[in-house]
Amino acid sequence: AQKITQTQPGMFVQEKEAVTLDCTYDTSDPSYGLFWYKQPSSGEMIFLIYQGSYDQQNATEGRYSLNFQKARKSANLVISASQLGDSAMYFCAMSAGSYGQNFVFGPGTRLSVLP
Amino acid sequence: DTAVSQTPKYLVTQMGNDKSIKCEQNLGHDTMYWYKQDSKKFLKIMFSYNNKELIINETVPNRFSPKSPDKAHLNLHINSLELGDSAVYFCASSQLSGTAQDGYTFGSGTRLTVV
Repeated sequence: AQKITQTQPGMFVQEKEAVTLDCTYDTSDPSYGLFWYKQPSSGEMIFLIYQGSYDQQNATEGRYSLNFQKARKSANLVISASQLGDSAMYFCAMSAGSYGQNFVFGPGTRLSVLP
Repeated sequence: DTAVSQTPKYLVTQMGNDKSIKCEQNLGHDTMYWYKQDSKKFLKIMFSYNNKELIINETVPNRFSPKSPDKAHLNLHINSLELGDSAVYFCASSQLSGTAQDGYTFGSGTRLTVV
């Protein structure tokens, strides 16, 4: 069975600084995908970034980068130059299974960006 | 154009009532999901349908019954609503394929409040 762990229930960061949100995962499938989603107070789930288990390079999307350490089974999200609008819940998720149909979320980390 | 649309966005109802939440996706995805997000923000999969066939049915009360008339729609019907059913319900869709890169797209959520 797949499992995602996010050990930081809440994080604070000063505006314009970088912050790392931790995520570790567990799966026996050799092929899997790792995702990060942002959920602002408005409630919608916003896709941020994806990393495939066979990808050689760490994924980047604008100010978001994923620090993928396969041997350690970690997929930390790095947000550079934090903005006030980054304050939200952040969920790490994993897709696994033969067709990627098993999609599980971690418990989330609430990020608060301070002015 | 909304990729995954859920209706209604808010639903307030009394205990014991029967209600439905509708979900439609226009992405051409072949797999659709229902997730429940509890008050602690934890997201848990409830059901997954691939081309109108049930492929994941997690342990949920049988008062919850998904209905998929076609692969673009996955509705959630709930009988005899209980206070503990109060949560945000998210519909999502993905393209079931050999890679998970195709991603998962979420609806905006339905906040169900049972009084």
